[in-house]
This record gives sequence, C-alpha cells and structure tokens, in this order.
Amino acid sequence: KNEVEQSPQNLTAQEGEFITINCSYSVGISALHWLQQHPGGGIVSLFMLSSGKKKHGRLIATINIQEKHSSLHITASHPRDSAVYICAVGFGADGLTFGKGTHLIIQP
Amino acid sequence: NAGVTQTPKFQVLKTGQSMTLQCAQDMNHNSMYWYRQDPGMGLRLIYYSASEGTTDKGEVPNGYNVSRLNKREFSLRLESAAPSQTSVYFCASSGSSSTDTQYFGPGTRLTVL
Repeated sequence: KNEVEQSPQNLTAQEGEFITINCSYSVGISALHWLQQHPGGGIVSLFMLSSGKKKHGRLIATINIQEKHSSLHITASHPRDSAVYICAVGFGADGLTFGKGTHLIIQP
Repeated sequence: NAGVTQTPKFQVLKTGQSMTLQCAQDMNHNSMYWYRQDPGMGLRLIYYSASEGTTDKGEVPNGYNVSRLNKREFSLRLESAAPSQTSVYFCASSGSSSTDTQYFGPGTRLTVL
C-alpha cells in the first residue's frame, strides 16, 4: 500500500508570497495528481504528472520519480488560492491513494 | 456536458437503514470510482470499476456494495448503515487509468444516526 505524506499540513501566507507544498510517496507509481478542494467541497484536478514539470498559469508542479517526491508551487499567491491542496498517486487502473491535504490560507 | 453527477446531495439515515448513492458521467469514461472523505483521514477508495462489467475493492470496502449498471452509471449501496459510515462520498471518473485526469462529482454528505 502506498503511503502518501504531505507537508505542511497547514500554511498561512501573505498575498504575493511564493508557496510550496510538498508530497512524498513510498512505492513506485504510474502518475501523481494534484487536486484542489475549495471550502464548498468540490474537488478539481490541477495536474497529472508522470515525469518532469508542468505549469498552468501561476501554478507549477514538479515530480522526481527517483526520489518519490513532488512539489506544487504557487507564484504571486492571491486570497482566491485559499483552499485545501491534495496530492494523490495511482498505479495502473487502480484508484488513487491520497495524502491528507494541505490547508492553505492566503491573507490580503 | 454535466461531467459527473451524484444524487442525493445530502442524506440522513438511521442505523440499519439502507440506501443507494447514484453516480453518472457523460464523458464516455471507462473507469469510475467511489471515495469517502473523513476529517483527518483524507480521501479513501471504497470501490472502483476499471471498465463496464468489472468492479474491484479498494481500501475500505466493508459495508458497501457497488453496481456498474452501464458505462455511464456506477452506484454505491449501503445495505445496513452504521454511524461509522457518516462521511462525504465522492464519485469520480477517468478515461481508463491512473494516468488520466480524474473528474469528481459534487459529493454526497451522509449522516447515520
């Protein structure tokens, strides 16, 4: 069973700061996903990574397969980025295994 | 496209009652999943269906049954609800594997008294 650890669990930052959320996992995977869950509860997929780096707007996700580690970065953070960010890993056709999430609050 | 839809949005049951959570997707996806989310535990996989006609247990299948009715629909049944099944339930779908983006439904908040 894959163990997925996220850090930090909680993060409060000021608007404009550069944010980094880390994720590590214990067993080889097919893909790693970063998800966002807003206070209303809906879950949205941000990235799916199997290698390298992806960028979408102010969000950047990287993965190091050898080290079993991924990071999610937010540049020029904004209060609307406040949400829970969830790392999840998958193998083959199986469902995902999730980290417990990082609660991010961006203060104006 | 509606994406992934779930019904009901909220439900309160008494211990021992049964109910079925419905999920449907209109993206022609092969794979569908049921997860539960509990405070401090994160999301956990209950059951999944890699293709029409197949279902497999996930991490926490006890107390649940599933039916992949057709390619669009994947239902989750609680035969005899217990307070430990109080949770938020999410259905999701993806093209065919964990290397595909997963799309989540809005969730069902279930309380078992």
